[in-house]
Amino acid sequence: QQPVQSPQAVILREGEDAVINCSSSKALYSVHWYRQKHGEAPVFLMILLKGGEQKGHDKISASFNEKKQQSSLYLTASQLSYSGTYFCGTGGSQGNLIFGKGTKLSVKP
Amino acid sequence: NAGVTQTPKFRILKIGQSMTLQCTQDMNHNYMYWYRQDPGMGLKLIYYSVGAGITDKGEVPNGYNVSRSTTEDFPLRLELAAPSQTSVYFCASGETSGIFYNEQFFGPGTRLTVL
Repeated sequence: QQPVQSPQAVILREGEDAVINCSSSKALYSVHWYRQKHGEAPVFLMILLKGGEQKGHDKISASFNEKKQQSSLYLTASQLSYSGTYFCGTGGSQGNLIFGKGTKLSVKP
Repeated sequence: NAGVTQTPKFRILKIGQSMTLQCTQDMNHNYMYWYRQDPGMGLKLIYYSVGAGITDKGEVPNGYNVSRSTTEDFPLRLELAAPSQTSVYFCASGETSGIFYNEQFFGPGTRLTVL
């Protein structure tokens, strides 16, 4: 089942923080985060695994709550370059992911 | 490395026509994926492959076929194109260092319109 992302959209000023949430009705073993800029392909940000292991971006952090079946992406001191649509993906052990509908982030000067 | 390349970049098809979207990767990844993305929507997995000769269905496989004869290539075939297949198609390849641990690299996409 498709994970649910919130909020659908957020507008920030440079330097402000944002949190993007991803929830699933199914048990999660991993959560994958990607960012897509307008007209471009998605780009990998992070993977969070059950058990706490994670791999990813050095300026973006995330959490993974297995009991709540939820992940949150934390964007701190946002920069103009953070603008884009953020997608979380959940699912299979072979990278066969189901993605959420995305959260559109706009960072203004 | 060129990464993941897709051809064509744009294509307009008439209803009922067929075509093949090409995808090639030069990173020696075993995992490859085809997604479609409708305007303002997320990515939907069409088919994926975990190695040459092995393919499996994703969320939305109807109307599509794939093959994987080599590690590098993963073409997507559309038979009898329909307006509902108007979308942007992304191919991706993935490396893994463990189960569930799969970072995907996306190609630039093919924008397909069916009229």
